Amino acid sequence: AQTVTQSQPEMSVQEAETVTLSCTYDTSENNYYLFWYKQPPSRQMILVIRQEAYKQQNATENRFSVNFQKAAKSFSLKISDSQLGDTAMYFCAFMRGNNNDMRFGAGTRLTVKP
Amino acid sequence: DTAVSQTPKYLVTQMGNDKSIKCEQNLGHDTMYWYKQDSKKFLKIMFSYNNKELIINETVPNRFSPKSPDKAHLNLHINSLELGDSAVYFCASSQDSGGREKLFFGSGTQLSVL
Repeated sequence: AQTVTQSQPEMSVQEAETVTLSCTYDTSENNYYLFWYKQPPSRQMILVIRQEAYKQQNATENRFSVNFQKAAKSFSLKISDSQLGDTAMYFCAFMRGNNNDMRFGAGTRLTVKP
Repeated sequence: DTAVSQTPKYLVTQMGNDKSIKCEQNLGHDTMYWYKQDSKKFLKIMFSYNNKELIINETVPNRFSPKSPDKAHLNLHINSLELGDSAVYFCASSQDSGGREKLFFGSGTQLSVL
């Protein structure tokens, strides 16, 4: 079974600074996808960034980037120039390439302080 | 236009009642899902469904049943509600091919069982 572990229940960062959220996963699959989802207080689940396991290049979306270490099964999210609107729960997620089942980590609550 | 919409947003009911949560997607996606987010914010898949296959998470009690009148709708029916069913329930959808790895979520339904 695939598991996703987020070891940081809560984190905080000053506005405009950089923060990194950790995620590790366990799988024997070779074809899979990894995601970071953001859940603000509005409860809406918003896709932040995704990574295909077969791609070595780390995905980047504006201020959000990942450090994908396939051998170590690590998938951390870096948020640069943090903004107050980044305050939210962040979920790391895993999906096998031939399966609809997306597995989520327990989440990290990020607070951006002014 | 809301891509994935679910109603109601909030549902408060007594133990033992039967209730339904509705979900509709206007993205033309082939597959729809139900996720449960517990009080600790942990997201777990309950069902995934397309017109070919219903996949049930074996940990889901049979009091929960998905009902799909058509491809754009996947409603969640819950019989004999229990206190432990209190949670936020998220509907989601994805394209079955060429984009299956990207989920679009509804804004959630907070169910409180008294």
